[in-house]
Amino acid sequence: EVQLVESGGGLVKPGESLRLSCAYSGFRFGVLWMTWVRQAPGKGLEWVGRIRDKPTRGTTDYAAPVKGRFTISVDESKNTLYLQMSRLNVDDTGIYYCTTYTSGACLLWGQGTLVTVSS
Amino acid sequence: QSALTQPPSASGSPGQSVTISCDGTSNDVGAYNFVSWYQQHPGKAPKLIISEVSKRPSGVPDRFSGSKSGNTASLTVSGLQAEDEADYYCSSYAGNNLVFGGGTKVTVL
Repeated sequence: EVQLVESGGGLVKPGESLRLSCAYSGFRFGVLWMTWVRQAPGKGLEWVGRIRDKPTRGTTDYAAPVKGRFTISVDESKNTLYLQMSRLNVDDTGIYYCTTYTSGACLLWGQGTLVTVSS
Repeated sequence: QSALTQPPSASGSPGQSVTISCDGTSNDVGAYNFVSWYQQHPGKAPKLIISEVSKRPSGVPDRFSGSKSGNTASLTVSGLQAEDEADYYCSSYAGNNLVFGGGTKVTVL
């Protein structure tokens, strides 16, 4: 069974950093692309970024608001996807979901982890 | 402001149909047949219900159907049931990124 479990969320101050993890099971990285999507409190969904599969060299793309501040990576030995977030600001507050991704669709979603940026 | 435009709300009585529109541009919805729809119940993670404009993943009832014309995609929920009351989001592949609509709250009257 394919499963995604996020962790690492919490309360941080503006300007600080945080690393989110997404433990995946039921598939090998490299078969599917993976993405991070976030949702501010009471708001809609916002794509954060994605990491491609192995045939496309695991390259990454990011949404404009996070480019240069966020980095997506994978540790295949731990079956874990990461989202390293730096220079956080209040607009980064929200639930962060990791998903599997193919043909333009986010197939399977984790339960999400809450990030709160506040002074 | 979301990249794709959805009506904020829609409603219908049990058994009726409701259609939600998703307006994009020639750079996203109009350019690719990679439009998806997601259902999200309060406090839950979103769930994929339509991919590639009109494909239903396994387990999604055939009451849900998708279509596209030009820069506008649509989701139709036929035979509304109480459990269909939720937020619905569209998304579209847009080259090096993925864009979402602002969401539509569907109420079953």
